[in-house]
Amino acid sequence: NAGVTQTPKFQVLKTGQSMTLQCAQDMNHEYMSWYRQDPGMGLRLIHYSVGAGITDQGEVPNGYNVSRSTTEDFPLRLLSAAPSQTSVYFCASSTGPGRGQETQYFGPGTRLLVL
Amino acid sequence: AQSVTQLGSHVSVSEGALVLLRCNYSSSVPPYLFWYVQYPNQGLQLLLKYTTGATLVKGINGFEAEFKKSETSFHLTKPSAHMSDAAEYFCAVSKQSAGGTSYGKLTFGQGTILTVHP
Repeated sequence: NAGVTQTPKFQVLKTGQSMTLQCAQDMNHEYMSWYRQDPGMGLRLIHYSVGAGITDQGEVPNGYNVSRSTTEDFPLRLLSAAPSQTSVYFCASSTGPGRGQETQYFGPGTRLLVL
Repeated sequence: AQSVTQLGSHVSVSEGALVLLRCNYSSSVPPYLFWYVQYPNQGLQLLLKYTTGATLVKGINGFEAEFKKSETSFHLTKPSAHMSDAAEYFCAVSKQSAGGTSYGKLTFGQGTILTVHP
């Protein structure tokens, strides 16, 4: 199993540009999440999904969109990038039943720089 | 709302010395607690977790943590540091949900960078 994969590894954008961060998992996990990591702030939840077709907002959702058409994929879209979105983005997945004790498996991250 | 505080953004120890990374949490319900490790330019990897049962939890690479409800703490320890332990460590809390509504959403502390000197 490849686990959780993310592409690209690194991206530079100009303010106002759009892009999609890709995330895929091959563990048949129901739950997938996107976090952003900023120095001194740990990781913060952006959006999460509890299954194909079901998504919800996390702690810092503004400026980001998600969709989940398949169990395997959970892309994160930046519609109009801003310098405040410069960060490292991690995708994670976990199995059910969603009572909180599950281990989350993280991808290697995407480093995004918005100029 | 739940929160996590890691005391000390940087901890430096000598090889062979005790490692102690501090984590305190606040939660309105019994929490699930996690420690993750992040090596440079990599994702996060689970070290250990507390869900129920024994309050002293053993994890990978010789690390362990003790859940102390009265102190709302979940400190991470390792008796003897190794150079390979140098990394950033994150404490996280997940809200326990009998109805299955927490979905493993984690609240992280700000992280502690561990440096190990020869």
